[in-house]
Amino acid sequence: ETGVTQSPTHLIKTRGQQVTLRCSSQSGHNTVSWYQQALGQGPQFIFQYYREEENGRGNFPPRFSGLQFPNYSSELNVNALELDDSALYLCASSLYQVAGNTIYFGEGSWLTVV
Amino acid sequence: AQSVTQLDSHVSVSEGTPVLLRCNYSSSYSPSLFWYVQHPNKGLQLLLKYTSAATLVKGINGFEAEFKKSETSFHLTKPSAHMSDAAEYFCVVSASASGGSYIPTFGRGTSLIVHP
Repeated sequence: ETGVTQSPTHLIKTRGQQVTLRCSSQSGHNTVSWYQQALGQGPQFIFQYYREEENGRGNFPPRFSGLQFPNYSSELNVNALELDDSALYLCASSLYQVAGNTIYFGEGSWLTVV
Repeated sequence: AQSVTQLDSHVSVSEGTPVLLRCNYSSSYSPSLFWYVQHPNKGLQLLLKYTSAATLVKGINGFEAEFKKSETSFHLTKPSAHMSDAAEYFCVVSASASGGSYIPTFGRGTSLIVHP
């Protein structure tokens, strides 16, 4: 148990729809990151939030957006879903600007786009 | 810039024999290095991490890894494989980027197969 919880665990959406995934970070952690893990691949960094602002972004289009709330929980929003968005979406929490900070992952949200 | 290369996409061992999963990294800064394990349909669990202290790092479930700066390697080992070790393993490098943030880079993963 890492203390990072994600919801929903599984969902199916139709191409063109929008989806919101939610994450509660581990107690005391002020940084949340989101990753996309396609089948058979390693996790790919989407973006990171610190103090409610986007703090870094990977190679993902603007239709991937996020929010971090004052309690450090977070949402990942994906608009105009495409078939290739089908993946496991992982949320991770950590302490910002701490050398060697461990990243704790949730169990993930499985998104299937049909 | 930073990157990590896991040299084997699959490693197959027999139960009770040693495990070696290889990882090489590249980083412009002093890196922190991690190994995570992912069992089927599960999230990622931290096995161990290196953060510039002892170069031989011991983790959970009998795993350990040695940081070798001269070889830019951080290989994961275990003396004796167990059936429950069968999983996907990820090597991760994290170094300070601009603004002080630490954004990790994952390897592509190594699938460990354990035969009875």
